[in-house]
Parts: sequence; structure tokens; C-alpha cells
Amino acid sequence: QKEVEQNSGPLSVPEGAIASLNCTYSDRVSQSFFWYRQYSGKSPELIMSIYSNGDKEDGRFTAQLNKASQYVSLLIRDSQPSDSATYLCAVNGQAAGNKLTFGGGTRVLVKP
Amino acid sequence: GAVVSQHPSWVICKSGTSVKIECRSLDFQATTMFWYRQFPKQSLMLMATSNEGSKATYEQGVEKDKFLINHASLTLSTLTVTSAHPEDSSFYICSVQRQTRRGETQYFGPGTRLLVL
Repeated sequence: QKEVEQNSGPLSVPEGAIASLNCTYSDRVSQSFFWYRQYSGKSPELIMSIYSNGDKEDGRFTAQLNKASQYVSLLIRDSQPSDSATYLCAVNGQAAGNKLTFGGGTRVLVKP
Repeated sequence: GAVVSQHPSWVICKSGTSVKIECRSLDFQATTMFWYRQFPKQSLMLMATSNEGSKATYEQGVEKDKFLINHASLTLSTLTVTSAHPEDSSFYICSVQRQTRRGETQYFGPGTRLLVL
């Protein structure tokens, strides 16, 4: 079992719809959770961080964390073609020290 | 956030030569930086953790004598790919670790694309 798992996609959503991305992790003592966006040929860009159970909203993005289920998700509302990218889930836990463990990424395609 | 630069942004070299990549933290002093490598259509692979003033910590399977890391100051870490070969062609990305109110967060540089002929 991978430490951080994501559906590779592609997740195809029409423009204006909600894109829902999921991530599960295996290290139960993980404490910090991040979503990075990576455009093709570019480096990852931090878009959300979440540390407590529940929802965290930032603009069109909402991160949801459920530590009991070891599950973190990202919602993108009013999806735009510019949201088309690969979204990487990353987890920082005690087992990994200060290092981030990345999922394989979910490719999102927003169609006009 | 954090502002991170890398130089060069891309490099083409002949097999057997060495290539140095610089990673700079422009807006704060970074005690810890990380070096990643990413092959096409794959996720990030952590190569090593660079700590200012001490030896880097390499991940399993990464040759420390081939990938030399020097973190000589709080704003600069360098990765030198020694005797590069075509299989070393990849996208090399550094990140800086910044302490925030809730914990430590990593911010990435723009990356360096290496092509070894």
C-alpha cells in the first residue's frame, strides 16, 4: 500500500462545475496536509494547507480533512480551464520527520 | 509564502560532464532545503535534505557521491550532478522549508530541466 494515494485521473469536469479530488494516507499520526498544483512542465505551487479536522476554504478551493478516516480532499468550485493541472496531495507526519510524502497526483481537465 | 529561485532553468550537457544547480531562498533564511527529481509523468521523488552547515541527508538509493549537495549559507543550496549520463536527464526541483504558525511548509523553486546528451 502506498503511503499517500490519489486517483491518477484524468478527472474531466465541465467549466463551472465542481472538481472533487480525494487523497488517502497511511500514517495515522500525520499532522500536516497540503495540496499543490502543478502545471505541465512547471514546479508545484502550494494552494492549500490544512491541519485540523473539518473544512478550510480559500477562494474557490476547499480542503477537507478527516483524520479518523485518514482522508483529505480538495474541492474546486466554478472550475475554470486554467485549473487544468495535476494536483498533488502531500502529507507531513512524524514517521517521515520533516519530509513530505507525495501522492502520485490527480490530473484535472476542465473543458470549456 | 516564500520566494525561491533556481539557476539555471534549463541545461544541456554532454555525457560525463558535471552540472551545478543553484537554489536560492530570496525572502527568508532557510535552514532546511530539499532536492527533488521528477521524471516525465511521474510524481516528485525526494533525493535529499539539505541542512545549512551540515552534511545533506540522502534518500535510499540516491548516490551521495554522484549528487553533491552543499548548503553553505542560509539562502543558498547547490546540487552538483557529477559525471552526468543520459539517465540523469530529469526535472530537478528544490524547495525551502518555512516555519509557519501551524507548522512547517515547503515552497518550491521553479525547477531546472537537465538534458544529458
